[in-house]
Amino acid sequence: GQQVMQIPQYQHVQEGEDFTTYCNSSTTLSNIQWYKQRPGGHPVFLIQLVKSGEVKKQKRLTFQFGEAKKNSSLHITATQTTDVGTYFCAESNTGNQFYFGTGTSLTVIP
Amino acid sequence: DAGVIQSPRHEVTEMGQEVTLRCKPISGHNSLFWYRQTMMRGLELLIYFNNNVPIDDSGMPEDRFSAKMPNASFSTLKIQPSEPRDSAVYFCASSLTVRNQPQHFGDGTRLSIL
Repeated sequence: GQQVMQIPQYQHVQEGEDFTTYCNSSTTLSNIQWYKQRPGGHPVFLIQLVKSGEVKKQKRLTFQFGEAKKNSSLHITATQTTDVGTYFCAESNTGNQFYFGTGTSLTVIP
Repeated sequence: DAGVIQSPRHEVTEMGQEVTLRCKPISGHNSLFWYRQTMMRGLELLIYFNNNVPIDDSGMPEDRFSAKMPNASFSTLKIQPSEPRDSAVYFCASSLTVRNQPQHFGDGTRLSIL
């Protein structure tokens, strides 16, 4: 099946530090979505990227879609304890399949 | 507005028993997805429906798993017979269409097979 590599698997940061997670696909993607799952919760949709090279911002979160539409990143500036959780990318290729990445678990140390 | 509703929230049962998980998607959503989440395998897509029709069930682990969507407001995921390795959190999600739309997840069913 399609491989959805997400790195790092775990990240511990001091509150106030920045955080980045990366999503890499073996195939060209039609779009990519990002989700956040709090501990004990369910995945919650954050954003969707469609265009090559697209950059979108949500307050301290910056999402980027690669020029070749094979990778994406999520960057959080000045992390807060409320950012704790697991961040997933979800990829859609030219078919109807949706694949979730392995996720990056973020711990923020106050 | 009501989100995706799943029941039960927790289920503990002995191996060999039949387990039925239920899901009510958001009204007006045409696509419904069933996922399984474990520490080892992450979030796996089991099956999805579009307009009540199963489109892709290639993620269903084996014949012990079956899913139905008899109407636009209800779906079930059944495991018979259940095994300890089926223990996981099972999520149902719905979206307006299959592609290019956010998926809205329910709170999940935490299933433990003893």
